[in-house]
Amino acid sequence: KAGVTQTPRYLIKTRGQQVTLSCSPISGHRSVSWYQQTPGQGLQFLFEYFSETQRNKGNFPGRFSGRQFSNSRSEMNVSTLELGDSALYLCASSQPGLAGGWSYEQYFGPGTRLTVT
Amino acid sequence: GDSVTQMEGPVTLSEEAFLTINCTYTATGYPSLFWYVQYPGEGLQLLLKATKADDKGSNKGFEATYRKETTSFHLEKGSVQVSDSAVYFCALSDQGYSTLTFGKGTMLLVSP
Repeated sequence: KAGVTQTPRYLIKTRGQQVTLSCSPISGHRSVSWYQQTPGQGLQFLFEYFSETQRNKGNFPGRFSGRQFSNSRSEMNVSTLELGDSALYLCASSQPGLAGGWSYEQYFGPGTRLTVT
Repeated sequence: GDSVTQMEGPVTLSEEAFLTINCTYTATGYPSLFWYVQYPGEGLQLLLKATKADDKGSNKGFEATYRKETTSFHLEKGSVQVSDSAVYFCALSDQGYSTLTFGKGTMLLVSP
């Protein structure tokens, strides 16, 4: 079974621009979560989508948004980019319930490395 | 809110040495606990998990036991290899939710 795929893998943008990142989950997985990884803040949760609905949201400004399509693929968008948005953005997919009990195993993609100049 | 605290790295070991990476957590209820590993230039891979107190997760020679009395989930391996060099993250998710709260990560460097 193919893993989580993210495109593009690398991206360079200029301050003030906007960017869209894409994530395709493992086949059959309906939940997609996004995380930001930086050296200073570590891994921080952005948001989670399940069946096209945002189910949970982290503490990020409104410039960060996302959506999920009917095929479970997800996109996240960052508008008005700032230098501090430079990070590795990781997408993870899961299928609640199949892992057993209350543990929802998340499977991560390789990430998109965003550099803002 | 929930939090995870890991020992700071880097942890530097010689091949075949014993490994312990400490992890403690703060959470309400009964969280699930995870260890993820990140190799250079890659995403995170689930290494092992435990869903209730006294559960032991194990994979590829790594083990961790869910200790509710000490709110800990320490990672251990009896004999590390150079290929184990990576960053290890301890994480938790609240009961009924998939959102992960991560520790800062611990870099492990294993020399031949």
